[in-house]
Amino acid sequence: DAGVIQSPRHEVTEMGQEVTLRCKPISGHDYLFWYRQTMMRGLELLIYFNNNVPIDDSGMPEDRFSAKMPNASFSTLKIQPSEPRDSAVYFCASSNSGLGMETQYFGPGTRLLVL
Amino acid sequence: QKEVEQNSGPLSVPEGAIASLNCTYSDRVSQSFFWYRQYSGKSPELIMSIYSNGDKEDGRFTAQLNKASQYVSLLIRDSQPSDSATYLCAVNGNAGNMLTFGGGTRLMVKP
Repeated sequence: DAGVIQSPRHEVTEMGQEVTLRCKPISGHDYLFWYRQTMMRGLELLIYFNNNVPIDDSGMPEDRFSAKMPNASFSTLKIQPSEPRDSAVYFCASSNSGLGMETQYFGPGTRLLVL
Repeated sequence: QKEVEQNSGPLSVPEGAIASLNCTYSDRVSQSFFWYRQYSGKSPELIMSIYSNGDKEDGRFTAQLNKASQYVSLLIRDSQPSDSATYLCAVNGNAGNMLTFGGGTRLMVKP
């Protein structure tokens, strides 16, 4: 299995630009999670989906952030407009309710730098 | 008060020693507990899970859970330099499948 795939791996953009992060979960996994990690705040859950449906988005910092999961194999996290304080590593993770839904497998992350 | 607390470290131990990492949590209804290892610049990787009070051993790793005291710990025996990483404690409460992570403890194993 290829594991969770994220793209791009690195993104440098200017303040005000739109940023789109992409994630492909492990095939057969029915849960998908988006996290953000910074030195100051650690690893924070932003939103998670079950069977492509958003279940809890209480961690999404503000309206500039949006996430979609149009099908079981693809999800996006969009920031529009981006701000320097959005600079962080964004992780996508997936899990399988049949095997223990709390066991989450993380992708390699996207390192975002907003100038 | 943070929901999951860890000492940020760094915790420095000599090679071959036992490293002890601790974690406390605030939600009494928490049911599942996890330890993730994160190497610098990499993603978190699950190394241990524990669901009931007591000890759970897996190779050089032992997870310990005490729900009455609301703490979970990870012991690493015969520590190796390759164990040097940040160890994240994660707790699943009653809020669906969400995991709440602690800030992590940085472990340094010196040769």
